Amino acid sequence: AQSVAQPEDQVNVAEGNPLTVKCTYSVSGNPYLFWYVQYPNRGLQFLLKYITGDNLVKGSYGFEAEFNKSQTSFHLKKPSALVSDSALYFCAVKAQAGTALIFGKGTTLSVSS
Amino acid sequence: DADVTQTPRNRITKTGKRIMLECSQTKGHDRMYWYRQDPGLGLRLIYYSFDVKDINKGEISDGYSVSRQAQAKFSLSLESAIPNQTALYFCATSDLPGTGVGNEQFFGPGTRLTVL
Repeated sequence: AQSVAQPEDQVNVAEGNPLTVKCTYSVSGNPYLFWYVQYPNRGLQFLLKYITGDNLVKGSYGFEAEFNKSQTSFHLKKPSALVSDSALYFCAVKAQAGTALIFGKGTTLSVSS
Repeated sequence: DADVTQTPRNRITKTGKRIMLECSQTKGHDRMYWYRQDPGLGLRLIYYSFDVKDINKGEISDGYSVSRQAQAKFSLSLESAIPNQTALYFCATSDLPGTGVGNEQFFGPGTRLTVL
């Protein structure tokens, strides 16, 4: 069965510091991997995806994520955090032969000034 | 995403009442989904539809039903609402596989439902 784990409920980082939001997954076969962000009272917004190819994926707002097949991980990163990055972040996975996205439980990112 | 709209945005109802949540999209996507979001549980899939004649149960379909009235419209019904259906409900759409967009889903703004 497919599953996604986001081991941290909350990540706190100071503005200007690098940030990492962790995600590990379990899926049969090759995965499609996604990161979404949710701001208060808003729907989910797509940030980036890994489908195939280069393991380092760049997305919106300066975010990037690295696909690591051996560790079954897809951690979200940003070199320099902004206060405006504070939000709820979701990792999601879909088997290439599968149908639906499976979401993690979400990680709240809090960036302090 | 303005291309995916949901009505109503907020709804308070009573136990036992029937309620319908509606979703419309102008993205031209064939695939549509209904999720519920609960604090600490992330998003869980209720139902999904890959075209007008296709309806599939998701992880938590009990107590819910759906109707795909057209390619652009997908509604979710609670036949007899109960308090543990209080949640934030999201509609989403996606394109067909192999079109190059990698199957990411586009979400509506959500409907906050409270069942008293």
